Amino acid sequence: AQSVTQLDSHVSVSEGTPVLLRCNYSSSYSPSLFWYVQHPNKGLQLLLKYTSAATLVKGINGFEAEFKKSETSFHLTKPSAHMSDAAEYFCVVTVTGRRALTFGSGTRLQVQP
Amino acid sequence: EPEVTQTPSHQVTQMGQEVILRCVPISNHLYFYWYRQILGQKVEFLVSFYNNEISEKSEIFDDQFSVERPDGSNFTLKIRSTKLEDSAMYFCASSEEGGWPEAFFGQGTRLTVV
Repeated sequence: AQSVTQLDSHVSVSEGTPVLLRCNYSSSYSPSLFWYVQHPNKGLQLLLKYTSAATLVKGINGFEAEFKKSETSFHLTKPSAHMSDAAEYFCVVTVTGRRALTFGSGTRLQVQP
Repeated sequence: EPEVTQTPSHQVTQMGQEVILRCVPISNHLYFYWYRQILGQKVEFLVSFYNNEISEKSEIFDDQFSVERPDGSNFTLKIRSTKLEDSAMYFCASSEEGGWPEAFFGQGTRLTVV
């Protein structure tokens, strides 16, 4: 079985400051990890994915995440927040051979002007 | 850019009624999924569908649920006799056959059972 824990339900940052959204995972097998974003009234959009290649993964809109096996973490970062980054972010895990995605509970990112 | 579309965006139904949620996946995708999110809870996997049959389903996906691909473009989720606890946002998704299973999601149908 696999699971993800998003350590913060809400994160608030000022525009132009760094963003850190934390995610820890649990998996019996080699995981594939994803971050999805959901803007209000929009579908879930894939930000980035880790699939056992490079441990530092770059995604869209300047986001990146680092897979740390020793810490079972996959934190999402961005050097400088923009107002348009305000949304709900989901850390997601699956394992090789499965298509079902397991979602974390989500982190709501607020960006203050 | 291709996208997954879902209709309707909001549906209200009476308890015990049948409801069909509709989705048009991305045209060259071969895997189709339904997920749901009850208000305040996590997004949960319901079912995946490939080659005209269910390839994987969760414990939530019991006999009151069914899925169908009635033609070459639509993918539907039917709830036979709705309960109050079926009220949720239902997301359809699709993915390519090969590669990693990242899924492309629609914007969801909010189902309210009264």
